[in-house]
Amino acid sequence: DVKVTQSSRYLVKRTGEKVFLECVQDMDHENMFWYRQDPGLGLRLIYFSYDVKMKEKGDIPEGYSVSREKKERFSLILESASTNQTSMYLCASRSGNSNQPQHFGDGTRLSIL
Amino acid sequence: AQSVSQHNHHVILSEAASLELGCNYSYGGTVNLFWYVQYPGQHLQLLLKYFSGDPLVKGIKGFEAEFIKSKFSFNLRKPSVQWSDTAEYFCAVIPPYNTDKLIFGTGTRLQVFP
Repeated sequence: DVKVTQSSRYLVKRTGEKVFLECVQDMDHENMFWYRQDPGLGLRLIYFSYDVKMKEKGDIPEGYSVSREKKERFSLILESASTNQTSMYLCASRSGNSNQPQHFGDGTRLSIL
Repeated sequence: AQSVSQHNHHVILSEAASLELGCNYSYGGTVNLFWYVQYPGQHLQLLLKYFSGDPLVKGIKGFEAEFIKSKFSFNLRKPSVQWSDTAEYFCAVIPPYNTDKLIFGTGTRLQVFP
């Protein structure tokens, strides 16, 4: 079974801090994704990566960056956290075949005070 | 804008009632379609998917969905819901212009009462 592990379930940070959210997958998947989930808005794609050191902007990349130094790990970075980035963040991974489903982690509920 | 629409935001049912959740998309061409479920406190899980072939797709836990190309729809159904089906349900589409992306609807919250 695919396991996608997000480092924290809950995180509280202050405005202006640099925040790192970590995600690790154990299935040697080429593709990894970061979404944010907000009530009434569903899941929105922030960034994705299709290979080590490769990244593509999703639909809402502003205020975020990502890092993929190793195949199994995909990090989301909030350069200077703001209160409108308070949200649930979901990481997902998928094999290189786009016909395969994405597998999701449990999510990180991030609060920016 | 091209999108995925789930018109039912919140559905409340009694156990044994039948369920149908709507999903419409606005992309032309070939699309791949998914339904995901998120039980309270758990991660998103795949319920079922459609890529080609029989437009009636059977998934886990007694769920099924029908792809109707002419209506751009992929509605989720279950003939008799259980309390354990209480969850949030998301329709998602791989659009033809970018097969790396998965576009989600806004979700439908289902509450089932015993």
